[in-house]
Amino acid sequence: LAKTTQPISMDSYEGQEVNITCSHNNIATNDYITWYQQFPSQGPRFIIQGYKTKVTNEVASLFIPADRKSSTLSLPRVSLSDTAVYYCLVGDSHYQLIWGAGTKLIIKP
Amino acid sequence: DAGVIQSPRHEVTEMGQEVTLRCKPISGHNSLFWYRQTMMRGLELLIYFNNNVPIDDSGMPEDRFSAKMPNASFSTLKIQPSEPRDSAVYFCASSLRAGSEQYFGPGTRLTVT
Repeated sequence: LAKTTQPISMDSYEGQEVNITCSHNNIATNDYITWYQQFPSQGPRFIIQGYKTKVTNEVASLFIPADRKSSTLSLPRVSLSDTAVYYCLVGDSHYQLIWGAGTKLIIKP
Repeated sequence: DAGVIQSPRHEVTEMGQEVTLRCKPISGHNSLFWYRQTMMRGLELLIYFNNNVPIDDSGMPEDRFSAKMPNASFSTLKIQPSEPRDSAVYFCASSLRAGSEQYFGPGTRLTVT
């Protein structure tokens, strides 16, 4: 099972691009990478999922290098409302799920 | 759809008592997950079901914990007897199919005194 490692906390300012990197050195061939966002007193919410290269949706981009040993969640032009905890999840279709410890992102005005 | 429904939202009980948490997954979702979250240990996957069958319960902390899914629209997580260290927020999540995104419920905040 791939162990995931991500920074405990980060801070940035409104309007900036924020990149959060997750390390998963032992990722398996069948593993996919998923990022979730969690606000206080709420359950995690899906942001984006990918397997390799780059994935983009309306809220974020996910960059995965060729060796897949890490992944980077990119949040463009953050706002105060993006202050939350972000989790990296590595797992396969058989649900061998490994959650990261989460990165607390604080956005300042 | 109303999303994943959990009850109760808050539970306060005394040590030694039985606690039952309930979850209704999103209709049509085939997989259901139970998580526990604390400040110290973060988010922990306790058990998950696929098509009502428990697939992996290796995250269940001890025999005091048990989970059932009698049908596709209902699951329970039971703690008997409860202990103060079980105090946490318990989340239920469901997903449409293997590998797809999980939808989390609002959680049950359990306090064992």
